[in-house]
Amino acid sequence: GAVVSQHPSRVICKSGTSVKIECRSLDFQATTMFWYRQFPKKSLMLMATSNEGSKATYEQGVEKDKFLINHASLTLSTLTVTSAHPEDSSFYICSARDVGREGVNTEAFFGQGTRLTVV
Amino acid sequence: GQNIDQPTEMTATEGAIVQINCTYQTSGFNGLFWYQQHAGEAPTFLSYNVLDGLEEKGRFSSFLSRSKGYSYLLLKELQMKDSASYLCAVGDSNYQLIWGAGTKLIIKP
Repeated sequence: GAVVSQHPSRVICKSGTSVKIECRSLDFQATTMFWYRQFPKKSLMLMATSNEGSKATYEQGVEKDKFLINHASLTLSTLTVTSAHPEDSSFYICSARDVGREGVNTEAFFGQGTRLTVV
Repeated sequence: GQNIDQPTEMTATEGAIVQINCTYQTSGFNGLFWYQQHAGEAPTFLSYNVLDGLEEKGRFSSFLSRSKGYSYLLLKELQMKDSASYLCAVGDSNYQLIWGAGTKLIIKP
């Protein structure tokens, strides 16, 4: 199957600093990437939909100024958690779909996830 | 509104069979997915159903009934490594995935 690479897998940062998480589709082009947040023992919570070359669409309740998303190319989307606080500690996961099959409900390929801990 | 329901937790015995149900109500339907997620890891794709019926893939099978808004994931010959959460997701009319809360499956020896 297709490969999505997410980096870093784990990060610990101090409160007030910013953290950037990268999501790359390695062997296919993804016009759309999705960013999820997952709390312990909970399902995935969609944060935003990232479209290449345009502004991300954020879900209700997600602060777009705090969670900056950039999708500059068909293979890379980034999520920056700005001025991180301990309550931002969570598991963040990206997923992407193959542009070659756009319009067809293809499976989502997931990155490995990033465990963010803010101390 | 859009809603996907699946049991929170299930327990089964190694070597046995378990069926995880998923019911959904969504605005439009463009396929139903099952994913497996081990603790601390990202989900991995298991199956995709868009037409009614049973799709078999090794020890795992998935069934869909669109008229009933119902699906199940059937796991046979359970192994300890099958202990994980199983997520049901439905593609809506905008091809967005709507996720269920997941079913934690516990396998006992």
